[in-house]
Amino acid sequence: AQSVTQLGSHVSVSEGALVLLRCNYSSSVPPYLFWYVQYPNQGLQLLLKYTTGATLVKGINGFEAEFKKSETSFHLTKPSAHMSDAAEYFCAVSSSGGYQKVTFGTGTKLQVIP
Amino acid sequence: GAGVSQSPSNKVTEKGKDVELRCDPISGHTALYWYRQSLGQGLEFLIYFQGNSAPDKSGLPSDRFSAERTGGSVSTLTIQRTQQEDSAVYLCASSLGGRRGLYNEQFFGPGTRLTVL
Repeated sequence: AQSVTQLGSHVSVSEGALVLLRCNYSSSVPPYLFWYVQYPNQGLQLLLKYTTGATLVKGINGFEAEFKKSETSFHLTKPSAHMSDAAEYFCAVSSSGGYQKVTFGTGTKLQVIP
Repeated sequence: GAGVSQSPSNKVTEKGKDVELRCDPISGHTALYWYRQSLGQGLEFLIYFQGNSAPDKSGLPSDRFSAERTGGSVSTLTIQRTQQEDSAVYLCASSLGGRRGLYNEQFFGPGTRLTVL
């Protein structure tokens, strides 16, 4: 069984401030971990993913996330928020075996304040 | 087209009517997924296809929901006797698929917004 918990359904940051979106997962096998972004009225787009190897993963638009096995976390960060970062962000986990069924978190809406 | 397409983009129906939602995956993608996104909820997995077969349909919420895929390509999600609680955005995603032991990124369509009055 696998699950994802995203802390905070809404996060507000000032433009230029650090973005930190939290994600904790549960998985009985080594996980694959993802962050997706959904802009208004659009489908989901992959931001970044962790499969194996380096635990600090860099994605598009300056985002990065670090896989911390001891903390079962995969928090998403960006040093400086832009207005264009306003969107909903979903953390997801899949098992490394089988057909990789993906379980999504409930999402975090990021508001960027000018 | 280059991406996953879904039709219609919006569907308004009356309670009790049947609806069909269509998904055209990326050419060559053997895996196809349906999800439901309700307001304030995460993405709820509905069903997974590998080719034309559905090895995992554990997420279908009731027997009013069914899906099929033909020719290893287009998929249709059918909801019979719609209820107001079926109102949501239905998302389709496709991936290369296969059991290669490597993760295959899911590519999402824009979704169909279903409103049941």
